[in-house]
Amino acid sequence: NAGVTQTPKFRVLKTGQSMTLLCAQDMNHEYMYWYRQDPGMGLRLIHYSVGEGTTAKGEVPDGYNVSRLKKQNFLLGLESAAPSQTSVYFCATQRGMEAFFGQGTRLTVV
Amino acid sequence: KQEVTQIPAALSVPEGENLVLNCSFTDSAIYNLQWFRQDPGKGLTSLLLIQSSQREQTSGRLNASLDKSSGRSTLYIAASQPGDSATYLCVRSNDYKLSFGAGTTVTVRA
Repeated sequence: NAGVTQTPKFRVLKTGQSMTLLCAQDMNHEYMYWYRQDPGMGLRLIHYSVGEGTTAKGEVPDGYNVSRLKKQNFLLGLESAAPSQTSVYFCATQRGMEAFFGQGTRLTVV
Repeated sequence: KQEVTQIPAALSVPEGENLVLNCSFTDSAIYNLQWFRQDPGKGLTSLLLIQSSQREQTSGRLNASLDKSSGRSTLYIAASQPGDSATYLCVRSNDYKLSFGAGTTVTVRA
């Protein structure tokens, strides 16, 4: 979707490796979110941010860390990847009560 | 706790039939309601947004209604086409919180 860009789009990690997913938005939105989507489980909130310099835990935060040093960027980090973190990750922003999503990052941990 | 329920989970219809997708909520807090489409392996594309003060929105063959008193939203797709095959998600937004349904997977047979 225009305005929310996720990097990378695909990645394969070995167990124990670390990586950072980047979400960048150019819409000046305050709220940003990281979700994971797994078959049969829908979208689950990992972490979110209500503004620059703030972060908060969502429904499934374990194994992930986030940072929002700049308003336009929301980073999701995996310090030591596990096979259970194999998923599709979506970043979203919110303006008023309208949500906008990135195209997703497909992560496989082997 | 399932805050947003979508029924049916899957739907298969012949081309030309009208589609009716349902979404219901467990509480009556003030919220907006957004319908998304997700194609396999892709991101979420916003279809319609119904703000809290509105009762319905229309875009082409799509019409979405919102009945806050009963906590329900319905997405109608008229004269379905094979290109309408996708998963449809309803998302309720309240302040900074987004609540997702599990989706209805639609198959339109040519």
